[in-house]
Amino acid sequence: ILNVEQSPQSLHVQEGDSTNFTCSFPSSNFYALHWYRWETAKSPEALFVMTLNGDEKKKGRISATLNTKEGYSYLYIKGSQPEDSATYLCAFQSPDSWGKLQFGAGTQVVVTP
Amino acid sequence: ETGVTQTPRHLVMGMTNKKSLKCEQHLGHNAMYWYKQSAKKPLELMFVYNFKEQTENNSVPSRFSPECPNSSHLFLHLHTLQPEDSALYLCASSRERSSETQYFGPGTRLLVL
Repeated sequence: ILNVEQSPQSLHVQEGDSTNFTCSFPSSNFYALHWYRWETAKSPEALFVMTLNGDEKKKGRISATLNTKEGYSYLYIKGSQPEDSATYLCAFQSPDSWGKLQFGAGTQVVVTP
Repeated sequence: ETGVTQTPRHLVMGMTNKKSLKCEQHLGHNAMYWYKQSAKKPLELMFVYNFKEQTENNSVPSRFSPECPNSSHLFLHLHTLQPEDSALYLCASSRERSSETQYFGPGTRLLVL
C-alpha cells in the first residue's frame, strides 16, 4: 500500500488571502501526480496532471509544483475567493499502475468572505 | 459537467436487496473505473475496465459485481450488502489506462440498512 499524505486536513482562509498545502508521495517509482478539486455534491474536477520533476502548472489563480526527488507537490491558491472552497485531492500514479490512482484523503479549504 | 453521469444519485437498500448503479460517459473514452469513498477515508479504486475488459479487481468482495457492456456504460450490481458498504460510489473514465486524466461522475450515495 502506497502512502499518499495530504496536509493540512483542513484550513480556513480569509477571502483575498493566498494559501498553499502539500501532497507527499513515494519518491521512488513515480509516474504521475494528479490534482483534483471536489466541491460538495459535485464531481471531482481535474486540475493538473504532473509528470516531470520541477514541473509547475497554472490554471487561473491555482498553481502547482512538483518535486519527484523528495516526493512532494504543493498546490497554491492566490487571492482566495469563496468559490475556491472545496476539497483538493492529490493522487499518485506509479509506472506499473496502469491507470490505478492512489488518492490522498484531501485538504478541505473553506474561504470566508 | 464532466461528461460522466451516474444514476441514481442516492440509494437506500436493505441487506437482502439487489440493486444496480449505472454510469454513462459521453466522452468517447475507453477506460472506466469504479471507486468507493467511505466516511473519512480516501477514494479507493474498486474495478478498472479497459475496452470493455476488466483489468483490475482491487480485492473487492463478490457481493459487488461490475458489468461493462460497452465502452460508454458501466454498472455495479449490488447483492446482499452489509451496512459497512454504505459509502459514496464514484465512476470515472479516461481515454486510456495511462497518465490520462480521469473524469469523474458525481457519485451515488448508498445507504445499506
